[in-house]
Amino acid sequence: GENVEQHPSTLSVQEGDSAVIKCTYSDSASNYFPWYKQELGKGPQLIIDIRSNVGEKKDQRIAVTLNKTAKHFSLHITETQPEDSAVYFCADSGGSNYKLTFGKGTLLTVNP
Amino acid sequence: DSGVTQTPKHLITATGQRVTLRCSPRSGDLSVYWYQQSLDQGLQFLIQYYNGEERAKGNILERFSAQQFPDLHSELNLSSLELGDSALYFCASSPGTGAPDTQYFGPGTRLTVL
Repeated sequence: GENVEQHPSTLSVQEGDSAVIKCTYSDSASNYFPWYKQELGKGPQLIIDIRSNVGEKKDQRIAVTLNKTAKHFSLHITETQPEDSAVYFCADSGGSNYKLTFGKGTLLTVNP
Repeated sequence: DSGVTQTPKHLITATGQRVTLRCSPRSGDLSVYWYQQSLDQGLQFLIQYYNGEERAKGNILERFSAQQFPDLHSELNLSSLELGDSALYFCASSPGTGAPDTQYFGPGTRLTVL
């Protein structure tokens, strides 16, 4: 809710390296933080999400960490592959049960 | 494939015209959300419907309106179109548990206003 800052706006890595994207939020009532991947010409696809009652969640090569005290959360992609190249968006729900506020996105390029 | 469908995929029209965008949610989902994506504003929440009723409004212009029908599909109506309305319009759906829900996005409709 309110405002979500996402960094970096672009990220270029070599295949096999790790990629980290960070977001900060301002609404202390925020309790749900999804990450979406958007490929060219497609809609955002949910890749992982985390709720405020946990600090970390992992799904194969993708992990998300949440620091509620500092109001930031991060996406970690390990062993990157060229097919990971896309725009990644973080979002948070604020204290609502409906509205997602999105970051501006990170263009990730994985070079073979 | 998220299970959310949107039609049409592309729409080209002129200023002053009116268009209707259609969305079918995932099977079983009761909530439908509309978002606008533009280069300058990013992804912005417009409006949410839950089981036929308007639930929440975001940055939706008065020239825009939406509705959700008994079969749960939704339509977004855009009228008196301006050049600045050119954007991608996404529909998302969720079960409607109010947890908050995970939202699944459709492929979008690209609107071009000439």
